[in-house]
Amino acid sequence: GAVVSQHPSRVICKSGTSVKIECRSLDFQATTMFWYRQFPKQSLMLMATSNEGSKATYEQGVEKDKFLINHASLTLSTLTVTSAHPEDSSFYICSARKAWDRGNEQFFGPGTRLTVL
Amino acid sequence: DQQVKQNSPSLSVQEGRISILNCDYTNSMFDYFLWYKKYPAEGPTFLISISSIKDKNEDGRFTVFLNKSAKHLSLHIVPSQPGDSAVYFCAASLSSFGNEKLTFGTGTRLTIIP
Repeated sequence: GAVVSQHPSRVICKSGTSVKIECRSLDFQATTMFWYRQFPKQSLMLMATSNEGSKATYEQGVEKDKFLINHASLTLSTLTVTSAHPEDSSFYICSARKAWDRGNEQFFGPGTRLTVL
Repeated sequence: DQQVKQNSPSLSVQEGRISILNCDYTNSMFDYFLWYKKYPAEGPTFLISISSIKDKNEDGRFTVFLNKSAKHLSLHIVPSQPGDSAVYFCAASLSSFGNEKLTFGTGTRLTIIP
């Protein structure tokens, strides 16, 4: 199997607060995890690539100080949205690649709906 | 700049018939392609992939065709079933190895009519 979980599935917070989203690979080890966000009726936009034990690589236009990513173990990566504002409201999805896997398939979590009031 | 395009935002197909979803890309360096299926408020589910060294890959009811000269790929689903109703994303990568990121298309909403 290749199951990826995300927690929480839904979060509502006040503007200015920070929110942490967890992404876990439940039945495999993942050296690399990816964080995406999706706006309504749009494609998945890659935010950053997270490698276990090293700093994340952010896509152009993504503020690394606002979207803090930590990949402390082979099964867990976290995304912290700092000082959240209403424009950060979105659907955040993580994915993971299996360690030692020759293929490039990514296995996705169920997503987290963030609403900033 | 949208490097991976799915020009049909929606498609309706009769149950039992063939569903054909199309995808075009502009970056000739892409050499690995994937199709994902996504239900609302859920993460995408991997369906099938194809390397650029092949022009066809089949897995059960799903077949992906790749035309490198046209920079075009398609996903065929036959026979189509009501449970296939979802949004389908194609994705492209620069390599089938390593930690290459995926570039996603904008998606096609497939509706199977019973």
